[in-house]
Amino acid sequence: EAEVAQSPRYKITEKSQAVAFWCDPISGHATLYWYRQILGQGPELLVQFQDESVVDDSQLPKDRFSAERLKGVDSTLKIQPAELGDSAMYLCASSHGWTANTEAFFGQGTRLTVV
Amino acid sequence: QKEVEQDPGPLSVPEGAIVSLNCTYSNSAFQYFMWYRQYSRKGPELLMYTYSSGNKEDGRFTAQVDKSSKYISLFIRDSQPSDSATYLCAMTGTDKLIFGTGTRLQVFP
Repeated sequence: EAEVAQSPRYKITEKSQAVAFWCDPISGHATLYWYRQILGQGPELLVQFQDESVVDDSQLPKDRFSAERLKGVDSTLKIQPAELGDSAMYLCASSHGWTANTEAFFGQGTRLTVV
Repeated sequence: QKEVEQDPGPLSVPEGAIVSLNCTYSNSAFQYFMWYRQYSRKGPELLMYTYSSGNKEDGRFTAQVDKSSKYISLFIRDSQPSDSATYLCAMTGTDKLIFGTGTRLQVFP
């Protein structure tokens, strides 16, 4: 069964350090999402890609966060420098359609702890 | 006020109980309504998907949408310990998927 792959599963980093997360979507899915889920809350969209293009990054803190999907397949989300408030689960999702009403499949997430 | 409100629980019920989970929302543009199930330390997985108002049933799960009241529900019949998870409602027009905070459900034997 096709899955969205994310790595690492867990990451502990010191504040002010750089950290990166990787996502490989389901093959053939043109749309890729990065969400942040703070403990006890629902996921919030950080960035949406359609192929290699950014469709929505309005909630991405661009002073410290960056995301890329260079070949329109896998994607990397980077934080530099990390802050204590960045501790959260970072979820990647993909879908074959480009609108939000299309079913999105989530990876298992990367749990980030900033100390 | 958040666009989507969901009681975080936790909700603890005995095995076999009927569970009712609910969300309210404020955006009249929402037309697509989803319920995701999230096990601990896992990503969410889509459980139910409903367009506009009405009911949808899938096995032990029933999703209801009342757009006039801006209220959606998920019912779980004959609940099982394996149903213990966080249930997230989510909804959208077509712009962006908005999630509730999730309700943590525990079904004890």
